[in-house]
Amino acid sequence: AQKVTQAQTEISVVEKEDVTLDCVYETRDTTYYLFWYKQPPSGELVFLIRRNSFDEQNEISGRYSWNFQKSTSSFNFTITASQVVDSAVYFCALSEAPGSGNTGKLIFGQGTTLQVKP
Amino acid sequence: DAGITQSPRHKVTETGTPVTLRCHQTENHRYMYWYRQDPGHGLRLIHYSYGVKDTDKGEVSDGYSVSRSKTEDFLLTLESATSSQTSVYFCAISERNGPPSPGELFFGEGSRLTVL
Repeated sequence: AQKVTQAQTEISVVEKEDVTLDCVYETRDTTYYLFWYKQPPSGELVFLIRRNSFDEQNEISGRYSWNFQKSTSSFNFTITASQVVDSAVYFCALSEAPGSGNTGKLIFGQGTTLQVKP
Repeated sequence: DAGITQSPRHKVTETGTPVTLRCHQTENHRYMYWYRQDPGHGLRLIHYSYGVKDTDKGEVSDGYSVSRSKTEDFLLTLESATSSQTSVYFCAISERNGPPSPGELFFGEGSRLTVL
């Protein structure tokens, strides 16, 4: 069975601090995709990144970076120099393997609430 | 914007009453999904649809039914609402029109349902 665990329920940091959100996943598939979504206080869900299981290179996008390690089944998300606007709930998610039977559905973690204080 | 509209956005109802939530899309996407969001559980899939009149269950489908008579509309019905169904419900569509590759989902704005 597929499962995503975000052990950090809430994190509070002061602006300009770096913060890492942890994500650990379980799957029997050899091919899969991992995602991060952001849910700001306004409530909408915003896609941040998709990474497939064959690509273990770290990715950086501005202040955001992602560390994918298959050996530890982790896909961690780091925000560098955090800002108040980064305050949100962040979800890690896992998809089933691509193919003709794929349904596109995602398995989400419990979410981590990040509060960035000024 | 992905052209997804959920209605109603907020609803308060009493235990035992039927409730229908509507998801409307203007993107002509084949795949549509209903998730519920609860503290400590993240988002959990209730039902999904892979075409008109083609639906299947997700991990928390008990107490819910769905219908899709048109490509653009995906309805979620609670036949007899219970307090455990108090939640925020999100509709989503896949990014592709056809068999979905694991792509990003586009979510509606959510419908907050309170069952008293």
